Amino acid sequence: QQQVKQSPQSLIVQKGGISIINCAYENTAFDYFPWYQQFPGKGPALLIAIRPDVSEKKEGRFTISFNKSAKQFSLHIMDSQPGDSATYFCATNNYGQNFVFGPGTRLSVLP
Amino acid sequence: KAGVTQTPRYLIKTRGQQVTLSCSPISGHRSVSWYQQTPGQGLQFLFEYFSETQRNKGNFPGRFSGRQFSNSRSEMNVSTLELGDSALYLCASSLNLNEQFFGPGTRLTVL
Repeated sequence: QQQVKQSPQSLIVQKGGISIINCAYENTAFDYFPWYQQFPGKGPALLIAIRPDVSEKKEGRFTISFNKSAKQFSLHIMDSQPGDSATYFCATNNYGQNFVFGPGTRLSVLP
Repeated sequence: KAGVTQTPRYLIKTRGQQVTLSCSPISGHRSVSWYQQTPGQGLQFLFEYFSETQRNKGNFPGRFSGRQFSNSRSEMNVSTLELGDSALYLCASSLNLNEQFFGPGTRLTVL
């Protein structure tokens, strides 16, 4: 089964800092790279996603950086807030196929 | 527009029993996927249904099955429950095969 590697497993940042989570994938056929945010007791919610034809996508404080040649993509959270404390999952798929998720990163933003 | 709903939210069963979980997708979404989420294994894909047909299947034993009805509502069934089946079961609906919207999940505990 195709894997998606995600790091770090957990992350602690101060309020106002930058949170960076990295993912690496294997299958070059993957063409959709979303990030999901999950709060305790809730299902994952789509945060931001990118396709391999662009190298960066920004939505508010959240940015995805994509490196197609290295088969890596990362999530940057600028000006991290305590409300961002959650578990973040990267995922990949190719059109019509099932998603493969990373193991998750537990982010804690200290006030 | 209403989100993905799952029922029941919590369930306690004993080993050997069977269980049926229900998912109602977002109106207009014809694809429904099921995932198992555990602390040790993360988010694992079970199966995906589109227009009442199973289109993709993950690596789970035959005790896990599902179906989709003509109104796109889906059910998953687990027979002969084992302790290891304790997990959060998530349903996700999709309109365009990429963006998935998750429900809150059903927390299954097997005693």
